[in-house]
Amino acid sequence: GQNIDQPTEMTATEGAIVQINCTYQTSGFNGLFWYQQHAGEAPTFLSYNVLDGLEEKGRFSSFLSRSKGYSYLLLKELQMKDSASYLCAVNGGSQGNLIFGKGTKLSVKP
Amino acid sequence: KAGVTQTPRYLIKTRGQQVTLSCSPISGHRSVSWYQQTPGQGLQFLFEYFSETQRNKGNFPGRFSGRQFSNSRSEMNVSTLELGDSALYLCASSWRVSGKENQPQHFGDGTRLSIL
Repeated sequence: GQNIDQPTEMTATEGAIVQINCTYQTSGFNGLFWYQQHAGEAPTFLSYNVLDGLEEKGRFSSFLSRSKGYSYLLLKELQMKDSASYLCAVNGGSQGNLIFGKGTKLSVKP
Repeated sequence: KAGVTQTPRYLIKTRGQQVTLSCSPISGHRSVSWYQQTPGQGLQFLFEYFSETQRNKGNFPGRFSGRQFSNSRSEMNVSTLELGDSALYLCASSWRVSGKENQPQHFGDGTRLSIL
């Protein structure tokens, strides 16, 4: 079957670093995406990994290990505006559709 | 550059009715996907259209259907509405041509559908 797991909620302090993990089991794999979704808003694209390793984009980095079915999103120098849900999604369907995890709600405290 | 536009933003219906939601993709995008988002299940894939053809479908009953027009605009229809259909319906468009390309999907703000 298709399964993507992420923690439901996380809390972190402003200025700190937080790592959001994602594990997946899918019938296929063509890449992994991270999206950010603020309450009441559309998900916005953050990062994409298809090869093993770390992709860095400013304060956000994403890591992938295909052999372990594992990814994480690393957020540095946390700001209050980073309070949002973070969605892990795998391009793993038979015809390339995205399969989403249920999301991790991150709360950043002062 | 205009983003993905979904109308209406909010909709209230009663059980048994039917509803049509509309999505205008980013100019030039030909792939349009629809998702249902609920607190319990997260984002679930409904279907994808490309060049007026449905090329991918999720595990939803036949009450959920869609279509795409020649200008890439898409509509989604739900018939015989049930209480469990209350959700945020999101549309996303992308540049991807092949189903396996990894072009990021760009989401609209969604239509929040409430069934009474």
